[in-house]
Amino acid sequence: GQQVQQSPASLVLQEGENAELQCNFSTSLNSMQWFYQRPGGSLVSLFYNPSGTKHSGRLTSTTVIKERRSSLHISSSQTTDSGTYLCALEHPSNTNKVVFGTGTRLQVLP
Amino acid sequence: AQTIHQWPVAEIKAVGSPLSLGCTIKGKSSPNLYWYWQATGGTLQQLFYSITVGQVESVVQLNLSASRPKDDQFILSTEKLLLSHSGFYLCAWRPRDNQDTQYFGPGTRLLVL
Repeated sequence: GQQVQQSPASLVLQEGENAELQCNFSTSLNSMQWFYQRPGGSLVSLFYNPSGTKHSGRLTSTTVIKERRSSLHISSSQTTDSGTYLCALEHPSNTNKVVFGTGTRLQVLP
Repeated sequence: AQTIHQWPVAEIKAVGSPLSLGCTIKGKSSPNLYWYWQATGGTLQQLFYSITVGQVESVVQLNLSASRPKDDQFILSTEKLLLSHSGFYLCAWRPRDNQDTQYFGPGTRLLVL
C-alpha cells in the first residue's frame, strides 16, 4: 500500500530560525495536504496542494509529484509554531482514501 | 459558516462494553465524511468514509463500525471494546467534489481499561 514518510521525526529550533519539513511517498497520488496538529490533538489545515508551490504567511508548501515528495517550509519560526506537522496524500484513484504521514514534531524555543 | 462537533469530548470505558461516538456537521449539505483514529504517539489512520446517507466504506478494520443515519451525522460504534481501541478519534468533512482540504472536528479521547 501507499507509504508516507516524513522527516525529520523531530526538530528543535531557536525562535527566528527556518525549518524545512519533508514528506516522501512511495507511489503516485492525487493531491497532498499539510496539517498542523495542536498539542491537544485537533488538526488545522495548512495547505491543499496537488502540485507546485503555495504560500500562506510564513509557510510555503511545494509538491513535486514526479519526484514523489512534498515539503513544508516555515520561515522565522515562533514558539507558537510548536506542535506536530502532518502530511496526508489522497489515493490516485479514490480521493476519499487518505494516508497520513508519520509526522514531524517541532519544538521552537524562545 | 460550517461547524463540526464531536461527542463526547472524552470517555473512559471498560473492556467489553459498547461504544458510540458521534460527529455532526452544520452549515454544509451533502459533505463527504471521515473517521480517523490515532493511538497515543501513533500515526493517524483513516477508518471509514461516507459520501452519502446510508453509505459507509471501511478503510481499516479495527472491530469498529460506522453509520451515517443523516446527511449531517456520522456515528462510530462497537458492541465490545478492546484495549487496543484506546486513542484519539477524529471526524472530518470535506466538500462533495473533494477539491479542497478536509476540515477536522475537535476529537474524542477514549481510554479503555
